[in-house]
Amino acid sequence: EPEVTQTPSHQVTQMGQEVILRCVPISNHLYFYWYRQILGQKVEFLVSFYNNEISEKSEIFDDQFSVERPDGSNFTLKIRSTKLEDSAMYFCASSAGGVSYEQYFGPGTRLTVT
Amino acid sequence: GDSVTQMEGPVTLSEEAFLTINCTYTATGYPSLFWYVQYPGEGLQLLLKATKADDKGSNKGFEATYRKETTSFHLEKGSVQVSDSAVYFCALIRHAEAGSYQLTFGKGTKLSVIP
Repeated sequence: EPEVTQTPSHQVTQMGQEVILRCVPISNHLYFYWYRQILGQKVEFLVSFYNNEISEKSEIFDDQFSVERPDGSNFTLKIRSTKLEDSAMYFCASSAGGVSYEQYFGPGTRLTVT
Repeated sequence: GDSVTQMEGPVTLSEEAFLTINCTYTATGYPSLFWYVQYPGEGLQLLLKATKADDKGSNKGFEATYRKETTSFHLEKGSVQVSDSAVYFCALIRHAEAGSYQLTFGKGTKLSVIP
């Protein structure tokens, strides 16, 4: 069964450093998403991406964040200068779009900022 | 804005007990509704969905009915197993006509099933 994959599973970085989280969505999906879950809190939407551009973003997704689909398979989230409060589990998701709203999630990358 | 409210956990049940996790929502238009499950150490898995009023989603013995009149989507299972121990998230997507596909999640309800 096709699945969304994410790398790395755990990333530790120092405050102020740049990190790139990587995702490989399901191959025939058209919509891509990033969500985050701070420990013990709800899952929050960050950004959605369609047709090589951002279609929606939340207030959390400020200028420190960017997304890219550098090739036909990868979808990345970059945090330019990490803060302590960026520590969270980051989930990538993809969906086929159209009348199919189901989003399929990857296993997540745990980001720890020290 | 959109919001999802689910019952606070944790919920602890004995094996074979009946499970209900309450979920209510606030949204413009006619959202699609979902239950996601997160097993320990894993990501989110879609458990079931319903896209219009009175639809019943079902999977793995779990059921939830889209009740527009009460804006609810309660999750039920007749007989839980130890393997159902997980965190359950209720979520919605506003109708596509609103041009939004972001999932709005509830806070999650942790279920522990003891033998």
